[in-house]
Amino acid sequence: EADIYQTPRYLVIGTGKKITLECSQTMGHDKMYWYQQDPGMELHLIHYSYGVNSTEKGDLSSESTVSRIRTEHFPLTLESARPSHTSQYLCASKSVGPTGELFFGEGSRLTVL
Amino acid sequence: QKEVEQNSGPLSVPEGAIASLNCTYSDRGSQSFFWYRQYSGKSPELIMFIYSNGDKEDGRFTAQLNKASQYVSLLIRDSQPSDSATYLCAKGRFSGGYQKVTFGIGTKLQVIP
Repeated sequence: EADIYQTPRYLVIGTGKKITLECSQTMGHDKMYWYQQDPGMELHLIHYSYGVNSTEKGDLSSESTVSRIRTEHFPLTLESARPSHTSQYLCASKSVGPTGELFFGEGSRLTVL
Repeated sequence: QKEVEQNSGPLSVPEGAIASLNCTYSDRGSQSFFWYRQYSGKSPELIMFIYSNGDKEDGRFTAQLNKASQYVSLLIRDSQPSDSATYLCAKGRFSGGYQKVTFGIGTKLQVIP
């Protein structure tokens, strides 16, 4: 069973609020990822990190930001949430090597009113 | 052109039949390929990875890779109703600071009892 945790699981907030989605893993993985997925749609990579203090933007442009101060922690922040940010956010970490598995958290479903 | 192309389905097969899922990709630099299964409302979980041309078998599942044709497939033998889910094809490319895993839209499989 994967040891990767996301909080909150569900969040409903008003427009303009600042939110942080937490993601933590206890597997010691260097590589971590944030994906965004709308219902019935594909996973879009929005951010990734290959180690402490290294973050990169993914394929889908996002107004969110991420940080990687500790190996186990990869939070995602939206400074001013908007209804267009309503989505499911999935965090993952990857085991070593090009064939290493992505382990996903249970996701954070964000609704911005 | 999307980096990973899949038919979104649904693909319906009777119980006990072989389900054939296909995927093409556009980046010849991709090093490894993955099949993930995602049940409705759940996070993706790894079924198989493959990185060499040819076939790879694991129980009822066989992954096939043809790098010249940029084509990946997944065969599910003796399909069961519990196999009903969305199957995501993904590719990985890892080089220094470039550590991306990119997903297709997924093919929805329905196994009819």
